[in-house]
Amino acid sequence: GQSLEQPSEVTAVEGAIVQINCTYQTSGFYGLSWYQQHDGGAPTFLSYNALDGLEETGRFSSFLSRSDSYGYLLLQELQMKDSASYFCAVRGGGAGSARQLTFGSGTQLTVLP
Amino acid sequence: EAQVTQNPRYLITVTGKKLTVTCSQNMNHEYMSWYRQDPGLGLRQIYYSMNVEVTDKGDVPEGYKVSRKEKRNFPLILESPSPNQTSLYFCASSIGTSSYEQYFGPGTRLTVT
Repeated sequence: GQSLEQPSEVTAVEGAIVQINCTYQTSGFYGLSWYQQHDGGAPTFLSYNALDGLEETGRFSSFLSRSDSYGYLLLQELQMKDSASYFCAVRGGGAGSARQLTFGSGTQLTVLP
Repeated sequence: EAQVTQNPRYLITVTGKKLTVTCSQNMNHEYMSWYRQDPGLGLRQIYYSMNVEVTDKGDVPEGYKVSRKEKRNFPLILESPSPNQTSLYFCASSIGTSSYEQYFGPGTRLTVT
């Protein structure tokens, strides 16, 4: 079968750094995406890793290790507005097709003042 | 403004009454997709389309139909809705045929009684 595992909840304080991990076991793999979703809102794209290593976009970074089937999203200088759900998603997870995106069940991040 | 729109945003219906949820994008994207989101399960792909007249099943296609007669529109059809189709539905689109960076609509909350 296929599965994506990520923690259900993470709590951190404003200004801190938090890492959200994602491990995957899927029939195919072309890359790992990260999405953010605020309560009542639509998911929005944050980052994508097709190759091993770290991708940095402002306060957010994403890492991938294909040999370990593992990735993480790193959020630095946390702000209250970062409180949201974060989803990892594997491209190629559904039946191995590069055209499908299979999502994890999401991590609820709460940022405390 | 570049966007994906869905209608209706909220719908309460009864078992067996056919319904259509419309989705339209103004970004000239080739790829469009439908997801359902249920608590604790993340987003699950229902159907996707690579271009006009090209559609394929996602991970949970049972009970749904789609069509892609025009590039900008990708309606989701429930021929005979059942209570287990009560969910939050998102339409998404992306440029080209890659799926990793998708733009999501605002969502349609469907309740089937």
